[in-house]
Amino acid sequence: DSGVTQTPKHLITATGQRVTLRCSPRSGDLSVYWYQQSLDQGLQFLIQYYNGEERAKGNILERFSAQQFPDLHSELNLSSLELGDSALYFCASSASTAGVTDTQYFGPGTRLTVL
Amino acid sequence: KNEVEQSPQNLTAQEGEFITINCSYSVGISALHWLQQHPGGGIVSLFMLSSGKKKHGRLIATINIQEKHSSLHITASHPRDSAVYICAVSDYGQNFVFGPGTRLSVLP
Repeated sequence: DSGVTQTPKHLITATGQRVTLRCSPRSGDLSVYWYQQSLDQGLQFLIQYYNGEERAKGNILERFSAQQFPDLHSELNLSSLELGDSALYFCASSASTAGVTDTQYFGPGTRLTVL
Repeated sequence: KNEVEQSPQNLTAQEGEFITINCSYSVGISALHWLQQHPGGGIVSLFMLSSGKKKHGRLIATINIQEKHSSLHITASHPRDSAVYICAVSDYGQNFVFGPGTRLSVLP
């Protein structure tokens, strides 16, 4: 158990809908990262937050947004969903903003299926 | 050309064999990570390297910054090592790029 929790575990929804994925980092970790893993594209970095502020952005679509709250939990919002958004979404946390030098601890993931 | 490449793509070994998985990258990096993804989907960070060599139990990771190459070695492999091993690099902009993964099966 990494100490990172993600909810829900599974999510099935329809095209055009909006969903919110939630992540709680390990106790004391200030950085949260979001990743998408699809069958055809592998793992992709989406976005990083540190202590409530956006710190790095990867291949995140404009239809997606994220935020980190004062209690450090983070939410990833996916809107106008398309079939291609079906994927595993992972959250990870690390102790500092220097994620490049910190070990990241991964949550169990949320499996999103868009029908 | 992908920024991070791994070889082999798939690997089957007998229990007890010494295993090597390779990773090469084409961008400047600040660190390289080795991740293990279990059949159930969970991801564990194995190593984070910016130079030299690290060892944890039966796992050894090395990196050669000049050659832009890293290797992950597993000594005395065991069926529980069966997983997908993913190499990832982070650049100075903290953007992470992942390799395609190496699927390892260790047979008893």
